[in-house]
Amino acid sequence: DQQVKQNSPSLSVQEGRISILNCDYTNSMFDYFLWYKKYPAEGPTFLISISSIKDKNEDGRFTVFLNKSAKHLSLHIVPSQPGDSAVYFCAASNFGNEKLTFGTGTRLTIIP
Amino acid sequence: EAGVTQSPTHLIKTRGQQATLRCSPISGHTSVYWYQQALGLGLQFLLWYDEGEERNRGNFPPRFSGRQFPNYSSELNVNALELEDSALYLCASSFGTALSGNTIYFGEGSWLTVV
Repeated sequence: DQQVKQNSPSLSVQEGRISILNCDYTNSMFDYFLWYKKYPAEGPTFLISISSIKDKNEDGRFTVFLNKSAKHLSLHIVPSQPGDSAVYFCAASNFGNEKLTFGTGTRLTIIP
Repeated sequence: EAGVTQSPTHLIKTRGQQATLRCSPISGHTSVYWYQQALGLGLQFLLWYDEGEERNRGNFPPRFSGRQFPNYSSELNVNALELEDSALYLCASSFGTALSGNTIYFGEGSWLTVV
């Protein structure tokens, strides 16, 4: 049972435009959400996170939005740059569990 | 500051053998996590160690085991290897365990190929 779902395995976006990566979850106990970015042959690196008490968190070009009622979060990257081409994983956890549940990832390709 | 380091980078084993993967966390981090990334699947949680104890494990059979040493480094052992164990094994570490949301930092992974 996939509790964290990234339904788009891939996404292509023109350089300079906005990239929107989506993530849905089914477990209502999740209260903390994170996005990780992964280049080939490297481990995932932390990008941005959001707590369930907020609906938006912004860090430079990256913004994460959380819609708790829809159990949906999204990562916006604007403007998109070629270096953003990577696989993006969303992850979720619930207080005290310390176990991140990851989605299957979305491969983002930025077209120059 | 050194990040999470894993060894070996690549490992080839035959079915039925045992594999041992090693992980050194970031200095000062006490929690170590192991994840498996098999082809076409997301990151699957395997094990979480903190202060030398196994705190949680994912839905993997008992032939996946490990331990954490007093210096907080960790080993993942996979016994009786099966072909479907071929995957990238990622280790991660974090500082403390008190709250959810501790950022975990990943190593570059160990590729295990079972033939």
